[in-house]
Amino acid sequence: QQQVKQSPQSLIVQKGGISIINCAYENTAFDYFPWYQQFPGKGPALLIAIRPDVSEKKEGRFTISFNKSAKQFSLHIMDSQPGDSATYFCAAGGTSYGKLTFGQGTILTVHP
Amino acid sequence: KAGVTQTPRYLIKTRGQQVTLSCSPISGHRSVSWYQQTPGQGLQFLFEYFSETQRNKGNFPGRFSGRQFSNSRSEMNVSTLELGDSALYLCASSSSAGTQPQHFGDGTRLSIL
Repeated sequence: QQQVKQSPQSLIVQKGGISIINCAYENTAFDYFPWYQQFPGKGPALLIAIRPDVSEKKEGRFTISFNKSAKQFSLHIMDSQPGDSATYFCAAGGTSYGKLTFGQGTILTVHP
Repeated sequence: KAGVTQTPRYLIKTRGQQVTLSCSPISGHRSVSWYQQTPGQGLQFLFEYFSETQRNKGNFPGRFSGRQFSNSRSEMNVSTLELGDSALYLCASSSSAGTQPQHFGDGTRLSIL
């Protein structure tokens, strides 16, 4: 019940295209859903996060869509750029405890 | 504001040895969590510390332990190292116990020969 399932494992898009990564969770106690971006040799960097009281959150080119009834959330990267090429992780956690449960990651490659 | 600092960045050890990793959280942050990252298992939670007390523990053997000091700095210890302990060990800090967001350091890459 603690799993977070992420898809696809890898994604290739052209510059200017839309990248979409999906995650599904099982534990209904989760109330915090962040996305992290990781470059080689670096730690994960927080990109954007959402709580279940809203269905969408947008920050620049990055948007999280959240479907509470389906227990799914997704990351949309608009106007994808080669500099967005990285590994993206979704995660789920609770505001009352520090543990984050991560998806397996998506390797995004944006071709120029 | 400086980020989360982890030392050392790289470590090479042999089976059976023990190792200690260090983490300095963002200034003012009092909660520190540790994660193990491997290609096969991904990112897995090890433990969380707040006010020098372990609040949460993941599903790892007792060879993995940690502690937190009064200045919020944390150390993680792994004893009797096994080949499977080769991983990137990440530390994350947040402002208080159980709060989000968590901000990660760049990790310590541990290789076991």
